[in-house]
Amino acid sequence: SQQGEEDPQALSIQEGENATMNCSYKTSINNLQWYRQNSGRGLVHLILIRSNEREKHSGRLRVTLDTSKKSSSLLITASRAADTASYFCATDGDLYSGAGSYQLTFGKGTKLSVIP
Amino acid sequence: DGGITQSPKYLFRKEGQNVTLSCEQNLNHDAMYWYRQDPGQGLRLIYYSQIVNDFQKGDIAEGYSVSREKKESFPLTVTSAQKNPTAFYLCASSIWGSEGYTFGSGTRLTVV
Repeated sequence: SQQGEEDPQALSIQEGENATMNCSYKTSINNLQWYRQNSGRGLVHLILIRSNEREKHSGRLRVTLDTSKKSSSLLITASRAADTASYFCATDGDLYSGAGSYQLTFGKGTKLSVIP
Repeated sequence: DGGITQSPKYLFRKEGQNVTLSCEQNLNHDAMYWYRQDPGQGLRLIYYSQIVNDFQKGDIAEGYSVSREKKESFPLTVTSAQKNPTAFYLCASSIWGSEGYTFGSGTRLTVV
């Protein structure tokens, strides 16, 4: 099954800096989502970007999507210690291509550490 | 408050035993999912259900079973046929299809 792959696997930055994480995927999609997971907890949905969108903002989060390169990036601006977590991208399939699916496939995540 | 509840938070299983993980949601979501997460890994789909009384195998269904008798509930049974069950199990729900999921807080299963 298709899977998003995040890059880098781990990222350590100082508080106040920006953090950028990337995600690549293999086949066409209907949408791409980013989730956050604090250690030992469930995932929290951050943002969803559809295949016909190129950029989306939510507070300090900015997500871009390049369907021609099959890649997405998540930018967290002015990071805080509380942003320390793992971040996952998740993709579904393009329902109209026949390769679609109703469930999400998750990457292995980027572990972000924000140092106070 | 609407949400999704998993219980128990920690579960210990002896080899050869079946155990059942509970997942309940009061969000009126049609779709529910079970994922398994191993250390440093992403989530792998075990089973999913889009409607009551219907469910489908995911990528790693062997050794697991589910039921969906009520919209609110989607319990997962880890059977003795699952050879490496120690993992973090996450339940999720969504209104429909692949829109944003709501996750429970997870159950950590350990074989002793």
